[in-house]
Amino acid sequence: QKEVEQDPGPLSVPEGAIVSLNCTYSNSAFQYFMWYRQYSRKGPELLMYTYSSGNKEDGRFTAQVDKSSKYISLFIRDSQPSDSATYLCAMRYGGATNKLIFGTGTLLAVQP
Amino acid sequence: DVKVTQSSRYLVKRTGEKVFLECVQDMDHENMFWYRQDPGLGLRLIYFSYDVKMKEKGDIPEGYSVSREKKERFSLILESASTNQTSMYLCASSLMDRAGDTQYFGPGTRLTVL
Repeated sequence: QKEVEQDPGPLSVPEGAIVSLNCTYSNSAFQYFMWYRQYSRKGPELLMYTYSSGNKEDGRFTAQVDKSSKYISLFIRDSQPSDSATYLCAMRYGGATNKLIFGTGTLLAVQP
Repeated sequence: DVKVTQSSRYLVKRTGEKVFLECVQDMDHENMFWYRQDPGLGLRLIYFSYDVKMKEKGDIPEGYSVSREKKERFSLILESASTNQTSMYLCASSLMDRAGDTQYFGPGTRLTVL
């Protein structure tokens, strides 16, 4: 079993829809949770990060962490064609290492 | 602005060749990482370095080595390239262990081994 599971998609939605992207994980030691966005032929860029359980909002994006269920989500409101990309969840342990464990990514297409 | 650069965007090499992939960051980050990204497998860590001349194996180090002679530069070396090393290679850097700090990625090098 992989440490981090993510549905690869593809996920196709119409412009303006609310998008929900999810990851599950198996290791309860993870403390930091991140979402990266990767456009085609580019490197990933950090979109959101959260520490422990709870919600964090940034504009149209909301990151949610439920440590009791080992489940994290990224919500995109009023989705735009420019949101079309692969979304990767990532997690790390606390402590001295900055090593991240990534999900495989979900390909999102927002249709105009 | 944060900047991680990689020496090549696209590279084609022959089986058995020695291949060097270079990564440079201008953020004075202590940590640097090399990943490969393959469809269905996501990002897998090859090696990382937390200081000059220091390195640690990641999840898939076989067939690779690394070099970090200067803080800003981290090189990935394929000693004898094989076709199963055809992949997208991504370099990243980060500050040392600060909550909320994360990894900044370069644009990637798409390597094809024939």
